Amino acid sequence: AQSVTQPDIHITVSEGASLELRCNYSYGATPYLFWYVQSPGQGLQLLLKYFSGDTLVQGIKGFEAEFKRSQSSFNLRKPSVHWSDAAEYFCAVGVLSGGSYIPTFGRGTSLIVHP
Amino acid sequence: GAVVSQHPSRVICKSGTSVKIECRSLDFQATTMFWYRQFPKQSLMLMATSNEGSKATYEQGVEKDKFLINHASLTLSTLTVTSAHPEDSSFYICSASLDYEQYFGPGTRLTVT
Repeated sequence: AQSVTQPDIHITVSEGASLELRCNYSYGATPYLFWYVQSPGQGLQLLLKYFSGDTLVQGIKGFEAEFKRSQSSFNLRKPSVHWSDAAEYFCAVGVLSGGSYIPTFGRGTSLIVHP
Repeated sequence: GAVVSQHPSRVICKSGTSVKIECRSLDFQATTMFWYRQFPKQSLMLMATSNEGSKATYEQGVEKDKFLINHASLTLSTLTVTSAHPEDSSFYICSASLDYEQYFGPGTRLTVT
């Protein structure tokens, strides 16, 4: 069965600093990987996804992620964090079922941004 | 495009009553919708997969008689929490499938008193 590990429950950064959120996955086949962001009391918004091809994936809001098969990782990065980036971030591995990639989510990393 | 709405956004109900939550795909048709449950400070757990015109598929451990799912049209799925109890209080999120991706609704906060 697939699983996702986000080792950091909380990450605190200063506004303008760079950010890296860690994600490791376990899946026996080619992984389909996602990063979602959730603001308080809201649903999830897709930041980026990796299906195949270039292992460096660009997303919305200035985020990018790099797929490293040898490390089973899909870390999310942003060069300069804005206060509005404070939110919960979920990494997920998708399994194709019935015409959709059904995500298995990590437990999430809460990003705190200091002014 | 690919907008999913949920109604209501918040609901408070008394223990023993039933509550219906609607999930709509506003600008696309979705043959498959999904229902998730999220406890505070935790991840999303898939409860069930809802297929238009057929019975929902529930994940292991989810009581299908408590969480009734109806996918009556290509744009609407409903989740009814029957005989709700305080332990059913949670954040419920739906998603709809389009082109192999899932688009999530804004969630419904259910509080059972």
